[in-house]
Amino acid sequence: DTEVTQTPKHLVMGMTNKKSLKCEQHMGHRAMYWYKQKAKKPPELMFVYSYEKLSINESVPSRFSPECPNSSLLNLHLHALQPEDSALYLCASSLDRGQLYSNQPQHFGDGTRLSIL
Amino acid sequence: AQSVAQPEDQVNVAEGNPLTVKCTYSVSGNPYLFWYVQYPNRGLQFLLKYITGDNLVKGSYGFEAEFNKSQTSFHLKKPSALVSDSALYFCAVRDMDQGGKLIFGQGTELSVKP
Repeated sequence: DTEVTQTPKHLVMGMTNKKSLKCEQHMGHRAMYWYKQKAKKPPELMFVYSYEKLSINESVPSRFSPECPNSSLLNLHLHALQPEDSALYLCASSLDRGQLYSNQPQHFGDGTRLSIL
Repeated sequence: AQSVAQPEDQVNVAEGNPLTVKCTYSVSGNPYLFWYVQYPNRGLQFLLKYITGDNLVKGSYGFEAEFNKSQTSFHLKKPSALVSDSALYFCAVRDMDQGGKLIFGQGTELSVKP
């Protein structure tokens, strides 16, 4: 069992729909991450939140909108997605992202498999 | 910029034999190295990390990794492979010059046959 919980596990949506992915952790971690992963490829970083503030946006298209309502929750709002956005979306968390915590691992959820029709 | 390379897309091993999954790194400063495993339809699971001073690092599920500074390698090893070890393995380095981002290798698919 993973300590990072992602819902839903699967999502099928049309290109005009609006949906949200949810991620939750209760490990007291203060850094949270969204990744996109294509089959058999490494995860690609999308966003990083640190202490509930967006600290890294890897030039992600605006049709993806992250939100961190509190230290345990991370959302990814989706709107007007394209077929190429079909992928596994992974959430991760770590204790912190500063230099003092550089050897702390990230803990991943099992992801949401997103299919865009 | 920091980087890691996994030179093998796929590794095939017979059950009971030792396995090695290779990773080489290029870093400036101290290396913050990790191994993750991804089973089908699952997220990435942390296996082990390099701790400064320990050239042999032990991790989960009987895995260990050997850090070699002169060869800039951090190979993942297991003395006796299990069929259940079949999965996708990623080596990663934390790049503190890029806000602590994890930089992943391309992944190695391990197949263990009975």
